[in-house]
Amino acid sequence: AQSVAQPEDQVNVAEGNPLTVKCTYSVSGNPYLFWYVQYPNRGLQFLLKYITGDNLVKGSYGFEAEFNKSQTSFHLKKPSALVSDSALYFCAVRDREIKAAGNKLTFGGGTRVLVKP
Amino acid sequence: EAGVAQSPRYKIIEKRQSVAFWCNPISGHATLYWYQQILGQGPKLLIQFQNNGVVDDSQLPKDRFSAERLKGVDSTLKIQPAKLEDSAVYLCASSLVSGAPDTQYFGPGTRLTVL
Repeated sequence: AQSVAQPEDQVNVAEGNPLTVKCTYSVSGNPYLFWYVQYPNRGLQFLLKYITGDNLVKGSYGFEAEFNKSQTSFHLKKPSALVSDSALYFCAVRDREIKAAGNKLTFGGGTRVLVKP
Repeated sequence: EAGVAQSPRYKIIEKRQSVAFWCNPISGHATLYWYQQILGQGPKLLIQFQNNGVVDDSQLPKDRFSAERLKGVDSTLKIQPAKLEDSAVYLCASSLVSGAPDTQYFGPGTRLTVL
């Protein structure tokens, strides 16, 4: 069974400082990995995904994430955080192997990011 | 391009009542998903449709939940009868195809409160 762990319930960072949100995953085969962000009373908004190739993936709003196969991690990063980055962030994993029963996306529990002015 | 539409945005019902949620995916998206997001948790897949066929409903509580996508476009998720533990946000998402690492795009969700 596939799973995602986001070890921090909340991350606090000062505006202008680097932001890191941690994610580790478990999947039987090779993964596709995703990051989504959720603002209050809104649905999930896609940030970026890792499919193959370069381990450093760049996404929306200045975010990037680094795939590390040996550590089974996909940490989200932003060099300089903004107050508007305050939101709930979700990491998700999906197995590469195509299955008849569908390829379910499994989400982590989420990490709340609070960026203070 | 219009996003995924959901209605209603909020619903409050008594336990044992019935409720239905509606979703209109992004035009041209063959795959539609319904997720349940309980407060403080990540979304959990309830059911996945490919066109109007069910691909995965392994986590759908079939004794009380049902979903359909009759014409391969809009979808309805129903709960009958509702329980207190069904209080959650119900998210609909769509993607072009399900076999590729395709991005799922989410609607704003329906927040259900069961009293």
